[in-house]
Amino acid sequence: DADVTQTPRNRITKTGKRIMLECSQTKGHDRMYWYRQDPGLGLRLIYYSFDVKDINKGEISDGYSVSRQAQAKFSLSLESAIPNQTALYFCATSDTGTLYNEQFFGPGTRLTVL
Amino acid sequence: QQQVKQSPQSLIVQKGGISIINCAYENTAFDYFPWYQQFPGKGPALLIAIRPDVSEKKEGRFTISFNKSAKQFSLHIMDSQPGDSATYFCAAISTSGTYKYIFGTGTRLKVLA
Repeated sequence: DADVTQTPRNRITKTGKRIMLECSQTKGHDRMYWYRQDPGLGLRLIYYSFDVKDINKGEISDGYSVSRQAQAKFSLSLESAIPNQTALYFCATSDTGTLYNEQFFGPGTRLTVL
Repeated sequence: QQQVKQSPQSLIVQKGGISIINCAYENTAFDYFPWYQQFPGKGPALLIAIRPDVSEKKEGRFTISFNKSAKQFSLHIMDSQPGDSATYFCAAISTSGTYKYIFGTGTRLKVLA
C-alpha cells in the first residue's frame, strides 16, 4: 500500500467547492487510474492514463477532470462538487504488459460533499 | 450499465465451509477475469485471475471456475477462515479496442469462527 499514496485520506467539503485529490506512486508503473467506490455499485472507472501524455475517460467521467503531472503523479479534480460525488475514491497503477493487467490500489480517499 | 453482475451481495459462512461467489458478464470481448479482495480501510488487491481459454484455476484454497459458453465465472473459497472475511470483487478486462476494466458490485463475506 505504501507504494501508492493518496492525499488527503478524508475530506469534507461543501457543494460547489473545487476539490483536488492527489495520487503518487513509487512503483515505476506507466499506467494510472481513478475509481470511485459506492455501496452496491462496486468500483467504477473515472479516468485512466497509460502514460504522461495519455488521458482517457472511463465509465463515469462527467463532473471530473484529471491531470497527469508526471509518471508518478495523477490527480483528480472535482470542479464544482455535488453531494452525489460523496464516495470512496481509489487511485490505482499497473505496469504495461503485466499478467492479468494487475492493478495496485492506494488506500483510498473518503470524500463527503455536504 | 453494469456489464458484470455479481452475486450474492453478502454471504455468511461457518469456519471450514465453502464460500461461493458468482459473476456473469455480457461482453464476449473480455480477455481476463480477475478477482480482488478488499479488507476494511484498504484498497482492493488482486487475489487470483483466469484467462477465458482455461476452465479452472486453483491457488491454495481459492479456485476460479470459468464457463465460457454461459458467460459465467465463480470464486470458490475452500475451508473458509475468519481471516477471509472481506469484500470480494470480480472483474472483466478488455485490452483490445476500447480499454475496459469492469468490476462487479462486490460481495461482503463474513466467516464465523
